[in-house]
Amino acid sequence: DGGITQSPKYLFRKEGQNVTLSCEQNLNHDAMYWYRQDPGQGLRLIYYSQIVNDFQKGDIAEGYSVSREKKESFPLTVTSAQKNPTAFYLCASRYRDRNSPLHFGNGTRLTVT
Amino acid sequence: GNSVTQMEGPVTLSEEAFLTINCTYTATGYPSLFWYVQYPGEGLQLLLKATKADDKGSNKGFEATYRKETTSFHLEKGSVQVSDSAVYFCALSESTDKLIFGTGTRLQVFP
Repeated sequence: DGGITQSPKYLFRKEGQNVTLSCEQNLNHDAMYWYRQDPGQGLRLIYYSQIVNDFQKGDIAEGYSVSREKKESFPLTVTSAQKNPTAFYLCASRYRDRNSPLHFGNGTRLTVT
Repeated sequence: GNSVTQMEGPVTLSEEAFLTINCTYTATGYPSLFWYVQYPGEGLQLLLKATKADDKGSNKGFEATYRKETTSFHLEKGSVQVSDSAVYFCALSESTDKLIFGTGTRLQVFP
């Protein structure tokens, strides 16, 4: 079955450490996205990529970095510069077509103490 | 710029009640419109979509009609179940780069 896989589901880190969240899709989608969701809140766009080796900042890119070396993969690194990294992170993908819906993974809950 | 406005939640209903969750949008052109549902601890799932004016999207008893004249895409269901309790997000897409999401509306259905 095609889909988006985020791993791990839960991640714990100490303050000051960088951490990388994995996102893999086998839907042959061109575009991939990272969102952050805080408790009881909506989605905020961190980064997105429409083609391999290219990506754009979203609304809250500070303290995060990404890479897109393969079409299937779009890892997100939460750096120590991110002031409040504890959150639920969602990865999504879609075709490069305005009618195409986003397909979401099941998320990674990151806790930094 | 483009935006999506959803009604504030939570919406609290008894089982078998009629549901409406309002969604209005602002866009410069003719966007595609989507409703997503999020269950606790999970990612968002596409519920339905409509790509042009007067289209009706439907799925699992939920419906929404793309109304260009009122710039609205309200979500409705004739008889809700406890299992429909979740957060619902309205979204629009006017280009190939990103979707614009509303803030989400929590629905709580009690037996």
